[in-house]
Amino acid sequence: KNEVEQSPQNLTAQEGEFITINCSYSVGISALHWLQQHPGGGIVSLFMLSSGKKKHGRLIATINIQEKHSSLHITASHPRDSAVYICAVTGGAGSYQLTFGKGTKLSVIP
Amino acid sequence: EAGVVQSPRYKIIEKKQPVAFWCNPISGHNTLYWYLQNLGQGPELLIRYENEEAVDDSQLPKDRFSAERLKGVDSTLKIQPAELGDSAVYLCASSLQNTDTQYFGPGTRLTVL
Repeated sequence: KNEVEQSPQNLTAQEGEFITINCSYSVGISALHWLQQHPGGGIVSLFMLSSGKKKHGRLIATINIQEKHSSLHITASHPRDSAVYICAVTGGAGSYQLTFGKGTKLSVIP
Repeated sequence: EAGVVQSPRYKIIEKKQPVAFWCNPISGHNTLYWYLQNLGQGPELLIRYENEEAVDDSQLPKDRFSAERLKGVDSTLKIQPAELGDSAVYLCASSLQNTDTQYFGPGTRLTVL
């Protein structure tokens, strides 16, 4: 079973700061997902990546397959970015089941 | 396009009572998931359906939990009887068959007193 570890567990930042959240996993994967969960429960998929880097607005996700590590970056953070960010992976060989990390709670202070 | 719909959004019950959660997936999504999420934790899979067939229910506590997906569309998750430790958010998600991207519903927050 894949073990997914995220760091930090909690993160407080001032508005405008550059933020990095890290994710590592123990076993080879077919894809890694970054998800955002706002208070109230709804989960939104931000990125799905299997190599390299993806960018969407102020969000950037990178993955290093050899290192089994991914990072989510937020540039020019804003209070509306406050949420829990969850890393999840899907295994290889046609397995689409997600294994989730515990999440990183981000609070951006004005 | 409507997303994944769950109801109720919140439920408070006393221990030993039964409770049921309902999920309507995105139209055309063959795969449906039920997850349990405890506070401060990531979601944990309870059961996965491909159409009306439960293909992975290894994490479902079958002594008190049951689920069904009649006609391969809507699904119901039931707990009977509920215990204090069942207090959590129950999430439903759906996806197209054999794809990675899952779409999550808003969840049902269950409080057992």
